[in-house]
Amino acid sequence: SQQGEEDPQALSIQEGENATMNCSYKTSINNLQWYRQNSGRGLVHLILIRSNEREKHSGRLRVTLDTSKKSSSLLITASRAADTASYFCATLQEGTSYGKLTFGQGTILTVHP
Amino acid sequence: EAGVTQFPSHSVIEKGQTVTLRCDPISGHDNLYWYRRVMGKEIKFLLHFVKESKQDESGMPNNRFLAERTGGTYSTLKVQPAELEDSGVYFCASSQVRSPLHFGNGTRLTVT
Repeated sequence: SQQGEEDPQALSIQEGENATMNCSYKTSINNLQWYRQNSGRGLVHLILIRSNEREKHSGRLRVTLDTSKKSSSLLITASRAADTASYFCATLQEGTSYGKLTFGQGTILTVHP
Repeated sequence: EAGVTQFPSHSVIEKGQTVTLRCDPISGHDNLYWYRRVMGKEIKFLLHFVKESKQDESGMPNNRFLAERTGGTYSTLKVQPAELEDSGVYFCASSQVRSPLHFGNGTRLTVT
């Protein structure tokens, strides 16, 4: 079974709209992180939310975490064409070494100008 | 600061050949990780170095894969002999203690 399954697999929106991506996981976690990957590039860390936090903001990003449902969402407000990328959630399971992340398959976001 | 650099960016080899991937972490980052994304699958952890020591190599697929980190600086990942299922993108990442990971652009390995 997969840890960190994401939904939707692909999302296409117009510039200015909001984009919401969801992530579910299966085990107890220490934290959950979101990464962005532009085509052909490495993953870039966006935001980290700890298991005892419920919501976190960073610029146009808003992340929520519901540990009872083992789910998280990433909201990008007022999207821009430059936000076009793949977005991955990654969990750090309890009891594992820091940096040993479990990734989902990602959501491909396309923002049309 | 310079980011994590990986070399080569692409490699195409035949089944049975050997390939060595290199990763130069961000200077001062003691933690170095290797991850892999096989086509259609999720990004998976391979191993973790702290300086020159292997902290966790539980994700290494089999003994055809050998990772080293000379003097706690750059790292290499050797695949010998390569098989078709080894094709994918190999990512290296580095970090300071308990900090988010910084990823390189990856090496796309194609085994034919």
